Amino acid sequence: ETGVTQTPRHLVMGMTNKKSLKCEQHLGHNAMYWYKQSAKKPLELMFVYSLEERVENNSVPSRFSPECPNSSHLFLHLHTLQPEDSALYLCASSQDRWVSYEQYFGPGTRLTVT
Amino acid sequence: AQSVAQPEDQVNVAEGNPLTVKCTYSVSGNPYLFWYVQYPNRGLQFLLKYITGDNLVKGSYGFEAEFNKSQTSFHLKKPSALVSDSALYFCAVRDQGGSEKLVFGKGTKLTVNP
Repeated sequence: ETGVTQTPRHLVMGMTNKKSLKCEQHLGHNAMYWYKQSAKKPLELMFVYSLEERVENNSVPSRFSPECPNSSHLFLHLHTLQPEDSALYLCASSQDRWVSYEQYFGPGTRLTVT
Repeated sequence: AQSVAQPEDQVNVAEGNPLTVKCTYSVSGNPYLFWYVQYPNRGLQFLLKYITGDNLVKGSYGFEAEFNKSQTSFHLKKPSALVSDSALYFCAVRDQGGSEKLVFGKGTKLTVNP
């Protein structure tokens, strides 16, 4: 395992629901990331946090709301999603956000919006 | 802005044969290059990276990659493929002097046949 855990692994939600994805890293890293992985498309970076401070918001719709209460935990709050938001959501962490550090990924949450 | 191309959606090789998964990149400065592998229902796992120094980089599970600056390529190789190497492989690049954003290719599905 990579040291990054995500819950739940699978989530089905209606368009009017509110749910949250959770990520936890046990590696002592300072940076955490949310990615969206859709079929036949490159991974899309959504958010970057460094030492609990959001440093990048990659033009993500406001129906996705991240939260980083400490350097080990990252949440993605979801509300009023659309069917096209169905995807695999991956959390990752790295020692720091500087360019030479590799990222370690969690197993992902498979989200289906009905 | 940096970009990555993986020209082959799928690569098929016989077990025991050498394998190559191709990657070309575009950056304005010098690149940091990464390879990741994704097994079914799992997150991405880091394989290897090029930061500086020797053009031939060795990584996990017997994989290696060769950085070729003139051809702007970073192909992943393994001398003898295993059935268990069957997975989705992603190349990624960061611009050393530019954005911290890690840009991924679309991925190449490798199938190793017994």
